[in-house]
Amino acid sequence: LAKTTQPISMDSYEGQEVNITCSHNNIATNDYITWYQQFPSQGPRFIIQGYKTKVTNEVASLFIPADRKSSTLSLPRVSLSDTAVYYCLVAPGERGNRLAFGKGNQVVVIP
Amino acid sequence: DAGVIQSPRHEVTEMGQEVTLRCKPISGHNSLFWYRQTMMRGLELLIYFNNNVPIDDSGMPEDRFSAKMPNASFSTLKIQPSEPRDSAVYFCASSLGAGGTDTQYFGPGTRLTVL
Repeated sequence: LAKTTQPISMDSYEGQEVNITCSHNNIATNDYITWYQQFPSQGPRFIIQGYKTKVTNEVASLFIPADRKSSTLSLPRVSLSDTAVYYCLVAPGERGNRLAFGKGNQVVVIP
Repeated sequence: DAGVIQSPRHEVTEMGQEVTLRCKPISGHNSLFWYRQTMMRGLELLIYFNNNVPIDDSGMPEDRFSAKMPNASFSTLKIQPSEPRDSAVYFCASSLGAGGTDTQYFGPGTRLTVL
């Protein structure tokens, strides 16, 4: 499994755009990048997944540079309810590959 | 869809007792995962099943832990005997497939406290 590195925590004010960066220097050619979100007292839930360039859905955008050694999750105009732990994961798509969640990045949105 | 169902939601027990956690995956999903979450270690994968067969149990901490999946709609994680260091939140998740890109859907978790 490719190792990922994220900040432990970050704060942001309500209404701002939040960008969370993840480093995955040893990402393999067939690895995908996936982000999950975990609210307090709940299990993680899928946010977004990508392989290269940019992916956008109704929740977030994922930016992946050409070398794919890092990725940035962008949350537009965060609200207090976006306070959560965000996990960056890297794994190939083939069957039998584990996801390593680790401790994630605690994002706190301040009023 | 009811999502992944776990029971009980909370469990308090004394050291040495047997604990059984239960999980019902989303209907039609072929893979089931058991995770443990603590402040110190984060979210760790204990074991996962594909088509009811255990595929990878390398995360199971020791012989006190065992997991079964007798059919596609039910799985158990058992700890016998339990110890205070087993206190954690245990999550069950399921997915359509077992690949790294298959979205995992998590249950609400079971908060276990071993006194």
